[in-house]
Amino acid sequence: QVQLVQSGAGVKKPGASVKVSCKASGYTFTGHYMHWVRQAPGQGPEWMGWINPHSGSTKYAERFQGRVTMTRDTSISTAYLELSRLRSDDTAIYYCARDRCTTTSCAWPAFDFWGQGTLVTVSS
Amino acid sequence: DIQMTQSPSSLSASVGDRVTITCRASQNIANYLNWYQQKPGKAPNLLIYAASSLQSGVPSRFNGSGSGTDFTLTITSLQPEDFASYFCQKTYTTPYSFGQGTKLEI
Repeated sequence: QVQLVQSGAGVKKPGASVKVSCKASGYTFTGHYMHWVRQAPGQGPEWMGWINPHSGSTKYAERFQGRVTMTRDTSISTAYLELSRLRSDDTAIYYCARDRCTTTSCAWPAFDFWGQGTLVTVSS
Repeated sequence: DIQMTQSPSSLSASVGDRVTITCRASQNIANYLNWYQQKPGKAPNLLIYAASSLQSGVPSRFNGSGSGTDFTLTITSLQPEDFASYFCQKTYTTPYSFGQGTKLEI
C-alpha cells in the first residue's frame, strides 16, 4: 500500500532553515509528482510547489521563491523540503502529497496520498 | 492568481441530512477542481477530482458537480463520520490553491 512517512516535528529560531523529509513506499517513487503543502493553525492548506522525482525538476509557488528548495534522493525514495529564513508565520504543519498524475501523463492533477504531516514551530 | 472562495465557512447539519458546499473560482478553471475532507489532526483526504470524479474508496453519497467557475460538493444522507472540514482546490494552473474551507458540524 502507498505510504508517505515524514520526519518528526521541530522547533526553529527565526532566520534559521528547516528540512523535512518524506519517504515513499508502496509505489514507484519516480512515477508520480510529489507536492508540498503547508497548513497554518486554523487555516486552509497552502500549496508550496512540486517536484518531479524522475527528472528532479521543480515548480515553486511564487511567494516561496528564493526561500524554498525541493529535492529528492531516488535511491531511498525520499523527497525533501527545505525552507530558509524562517519567520514566525512559517509555523505550520508541512505535508508531502503524491499527485495521482504520473510523471509521463497528467490529465487531472489531484493529491491522492498524503504524509502524516510535520509540525514546524518557529519561535525565539 | 486565481482565487478560490468557499461558502459557507461553517455549516450545522444532522445525521441523514443532505448538504451542499460551494466553491467559486475567480476565473474559468474548466473542470480542474478537487474536493478534500479533513478531520482534526489528520491530513486531507481526496474525495472528488476533476470536479465530478469519485476517488476510489470514497462512498457514493459524495457528489461533485460544476465547471468553469462554479462548483458544488453535495453529501447526501450525512453519516456521523462526515462531520469534518472540506476544502476545494483548483489545479488548472499553478499555484494549486485551496479554498479556505467549510467546517461541517453536528
